[in-house]
Amino acid sequence: DIQMTQSPSSLSASVGDRVTITCRASQGISNSLAWYQQKPGKAPKLLLYAASRLESGVPSRFSGSGSGTDYTLTISSLQPEDFATYYCQQYYSTPLFGQGTKVEIK
Amino acid sequence: QVTLKESGPVLVKPTETLTLTCTVSGFSLSNARMGVSWIRQPPGKALEWLAHIFSNDEKSYSTSLKSRLTISKDTSKSQVVLTMTNMDPVDTATYYCARGSSILSNWGQGTLVTVSS
Repeated sequence: DIQMTQSPSSLSASVGDRVTITCRASQGISNSLAWYQQKPGKAPKLLLYAASRLESGVPSRFSGSGSGTDYTLTISSLQPEDFATYYCQQYYSTPLFGQGTKVEIK
Repeated sequence: QVTLKESGPVLVKPTETLTLTCTVSGFSLSNARMGVSWIRQPPGKALEWLAHIFSNDEKSYSTSLKSRLTISKDTSKSQVVLTMTNMDPVDTATYYCARGSSILSNWGQGTLVTVSS
């Protein structure tokens, strides 16, 4: 199975900050990567797929990039509603999620 | 409007078999290229993909749990069923169903299943 290493596991940031979360696959996944946001007690929400394609209705401050084994989720200007846990997920092979990154208020 | 809703027992005993049902609306399980997946999340831990089933009834399972899982669907009832055998306390988790087999675009609210004697 392809393994996913997500970093950092947590971060503290302020409203307005630029935030970057990284996901590294154990082998190339050809941009077959999605990002999800999960708030406490709620189901995850799809943000991006195919590494950089924004899901309908998701604010443009969210963006994704990367290729091969290394991928990044960027929030250009953190908003109060963005404090949550973020997960990457590869679907190149049997789907697998990263371990999550909790974005907390600084 | 696409919705999914999980149902099943909130408490199961160790060694028992868990049966969960996902009832969908707003899309058809017979729709070409549309699948439904099951995912779980132990309290305070990460998401774990379990299984998915395609519209043509093709199935795929988590490598580590394959021997314990069975996924099936009843298109006429708009339901997808997941069974997991030999439940253990480590299987305590919120179980979600989601639309999609790779990109999970819509999720149910989840159902918490506790395994305890």
